[in-house]
Amino acid sequence: DAGVIQSPRHEVTEMGQEVTLRCKPISGHNSLFWYRQTMMRGLELLIYFNNNVPIDDSGMPEDRFSAKMPNASFSTLKIQPSEPRDSAVYFCASNYRVLDTEAFFGQGTRLTVV
Amino acid sequence: KNEVEQSPQNLTAQEGEFITINCSYSVGISALHWLQQHPGGGIVSLFMLSSGKKKHGRLIATINIQEKHSSLHITASHPRDSAVYICAVRSEDFGNEKLTFGTGTRLTIIP
Repeated sequence: DAGVIQSPRHEVTEMGQEVTLRCKPISGHNSLFWYRQTMMRGLELLIYFNNNVPIDDSGMPEDRFSAKMPNASFSTLKIQPSEPRDSAVYFCASNYRVLDTEAFFGQGTRLTVV
Repeated sequence: KNEVEQSPQNLTAQEGEFITINCSYSVGISALHWLQQHPGGGIVSLFMLSSGKKKHGRLIATINIQEKHSSLHITASHPRDSAVYICAVRSEDFGNEKLTFGTGTRLTIIP
């Protein structure tokens, strides 16, 4: 398996624009996590899904952020409108909850909002 | 006070030294993770443990549930071990997959 795949790897956008980050989890994994990493706050969980259903979105900073998982092999994290303070590295991770495996992380998307 | 505290924040050592990184937490947990993040930014899960000790190659992770403390040890350290090591805990609430992260320990191994 190619592991968790995120796209794009880098995104530079202007303030106010919509940004969509994409994630393909490892095949067979049924939990998917979106994390954000900044220098100030470190790693934070934004939202996680189990069997495509959002379970905990308490980490989503505000209504400008939304996440979907339309099927077991794809998830998106959308920011609309984007702001400079959204600049961070966004990681997606997946695991197989039933077996309580450790999480496998994607390479991350480095987002810069100017 | 953060729920997960790591020490030290930064550690520089000579190649071959024995390394210990500590993690203390203040909440009930069901599991603790040790993660490694290399300068390129990718994150790799090293261990997930809920009791006792695990070993993988030169890496050893231990956890003491009563003391709410875990350690990551690296034997015969090598420059390629230079990375940020992050401790994360999973809530003890059944079904809650949320991880809370420490701020990381930046390890530099000098040849």
